[in-house]
Amino acid sequence: NAGVTQTPKFQVLKTGQSMTLQCAQDMNHEYMSWYRQDPGMGLRLIHYSVGAGITDQGEVPNGYNVSRSTTEDFPLRLLSAAPSQTSVYFCASSPGITGELFFGEGSRLTVL
Amino acid sequence: GENVEQHPSTLSVQEGDSAVIKCTYSDSASNYFPWYKQELGKGPQLIIDIRSNVGEKKDQRIAVTLNKTAKHFSLHITETQPEDSAVYFCAAKTGGFKTIFGAGTRLFVKA
Repeated sequence: NAGVTQTPKFQVLKTGQSMTLQCAQDMNHEYMSWYRQDPGMGLRLIHYSVGAGITDQGEVPNGYNVSRSTTEDFPLRLLSAAPSQTSVYFCASSPGITGELFFGEGSRLTVL
Repeated sequence: GENVEQHPSTLSVQEGDSAVIKCTYSDSASNYFPWYKQELGKGPQLIIDIRSNVGEKKDQRIAVTLNKTAKHFSLHITETQPEDSAVYFCAAKTGGFKTIFGAGTRLFVKA
């Protein structure tokens, strides 16, 4: 099994550009989430979804949009990138009941 | 809102010594407390977890303790080895499906 797959692994954007970080899981997990990781600040929750068609905000949702049209996919959209969004982004999924999160390998985004 | 504080931010130990990382959480409704290990260039991976109805859990050289009254939980690694060097995160999961992470501890094990 591939687990949680994130693409792209690296991306450089200019301020104001838009892009989508892709996340797919093949474990039939109901729960999916996006985190950003910044030095000294740990992992901060951006958005999460408890099932197809259901999304909610995390700790730092501003500047990001998500949708969940299928159980497998949970894309993260940046509509107008800002330098403050330079970070490493992790997608994670969970069966929901146990609580364990399964993480992807991360996507490193640089906004110039 | 929910908050998890983690200390220390950096920890350096000699091989064979023990390492202890401590966390506190703010939401009394939190019921699941996982610990994740992150190696360079990788995503975090679960190493041990504990639920709110348990005070202590062990898995070989790793143990976690939970004090619900104090809203405090700790990770203990005994007989540390160089491959234990990594970043460790504590986290707390609320009943509302959110998992909130601490800021992380970078552990160095010196051979």
